[in-house]
Amino acid sequence: DQQVKQNSPSLSVQEGRISILNCDYTNSMFDYFLWYKKYPAEGPTFLISISSIKDKNEDGRFTVFLNKSAKHLSLHIVPSQPGDSAVYFCAASGANNNDMRFGAGTRLTVKP
Amino acid sequence: KAGVTQTPRYLIKTRGQQVTLSCSPISGHRSVSWYQQTPGQGLQFLFEYFSETQRNKGNFPGRFSGRQFSNSRSEMNVSTLELGDSALYLCASSLRVTGTDTQYFGPGTRLTVL
Repeated sequence: DQQVKQNSPSLSVQEGRISILNCDYTNSMFDYFLWYKKYPAEGPTFLISISSIKDKNEDGRFTVFLNKSAKHLSLHIVPSQPGDSAVYFCAASGANNNDMRFGAGTRLTVKP
Repeated sequence: KAGVTQTPRYLIKTRGQQVTLSCSPISGHRSVSWYQQTPGQGLQFLFEYFSETQRNKGNFPGRFSGRQFSNSRSEMNVSTLELGDSALYLCASSLRVTGTDTQYFGPGTRLTVL
């Protein structure tokens, strides 16, 4: 069962604009959320995370927002750069769980 | 610090065969998790090993198995291969003391079943 869903398989934005990637989850036991970025022929790399006690976490151009009541999180990239073009995976786990559930990924293309 | 390594990087097998994939975690990491990535399905969790014990398992048939050695290196085995097993198999290592430890992924093994 898909406990973590990324409903947009792809997203295209212009360089310099904001990229917003969305993720929904169904399991209310999840309380730790992450975003990973994946380039072709490489494994996913950790980007940013947020725990359920927060609703926002910022790291440079990347900000993750968490709406627990809606079971929704989003990743904002501002400003978007061509090097951000990659597949972005949303992931979730419980603090005491030992497996992580991933979404299907969203392919972001940033056009120069 | 060296990253997670996976061998081989590419593998071609035929239906009915079996395959073993290897993963060497980052030094000091005791947890190794395995994932299957297929187009449109994202990363599907296979299992996690911690200190040589399987600590969690995803919803995959018993043809998928794994083990972890005392040096934390892990192997994954798939028996009686099916066409649908063609995928990128990723392993990730972490300290995994808690569920919030960051996982670091290897580059993956691309398995093609003909």
